[in-house]
Amino acid sequence: EIVMTQSPATLFVSPGERATLSCRASHTFSSNLAWYQQKPGQAPRLLIYGASTRAIGVPARFSGSGSGTEFTLTISNLQSEDFAVYYCQQYNNWPQTFGQGTKVEIK
Amino acid sequence: EVQLLESGGGLVQPGGSLRLSCAASGFTFSNFAMSWVRQAPGKGLEWVSSISGSGGSTYYADSVRGRFTISRDNSKNTLYLQINSLRAEDTALYYCAKTSLWSPEYSSLVHWGQGTLVTVSS
Repeated sequence: EIVMTQSPATLFVSPGERATLSCRASHTFSSNLAWYQQKPGQAPRLLIYGASTRAIGVPARFSGSGSGTEFTLTISNLQSEDFAVYYCQQYNNWPQTFGQGTKVEIK
Repeated sequence: EVQLLESGGGLVQPGGSLRLSCAASGFTFSNFAMSWVRQAPGKGLEWVSSISGSGGSTYYADSVRGRFTISRDNSKNTLYLQINSLRAEDTALYYCAKTSLWSPEYSSLVHWGQGTLVTVSS
């Protein structure tokens, strides 16, 4: 099983600033990595797939990068609606696995 | 517009069973693999199971293999999860999700339902 570890657990950011979220895999794999956003009381929403491709309707301020075991989600110019929990997921191997999440909070 | 509507959750005693359903609309259901993902209260996401578009291939997390069965009825545009031998640790919000491919391999979870809550308690 590929273990996904996200850091930090909580990230305090001011509106308008940049947030950088990290996701590390226990084993290397190709670019089958997704990022999801979850707001309180809502279902997760796909943001990024293939490590760097934005899903339909996702603003350009969200960007994904990385390969192998190190992946990053960057949110530029944070907006009020971006404060949420973010999860990475590898869908390269079975079982598919998620990171434990990073909560982005207002500083 | 893709819509996924889960149902079938509820309060059940340990050792009991439930069948969860996910009614899909807004897309050609048989063309896409589907998955179940759960989230325990206050916790993160856990992938549970996936099924190919035809239903011929299924995949399970080790924590549920042998107790849960995923299936689909393409004539009814409905995904199912039969959950047996329930344990307290199965208490969670169960989401169904649509992938982007016919096979669930190498496919992210593009659309999600709102979930159905399963509570296992005596």
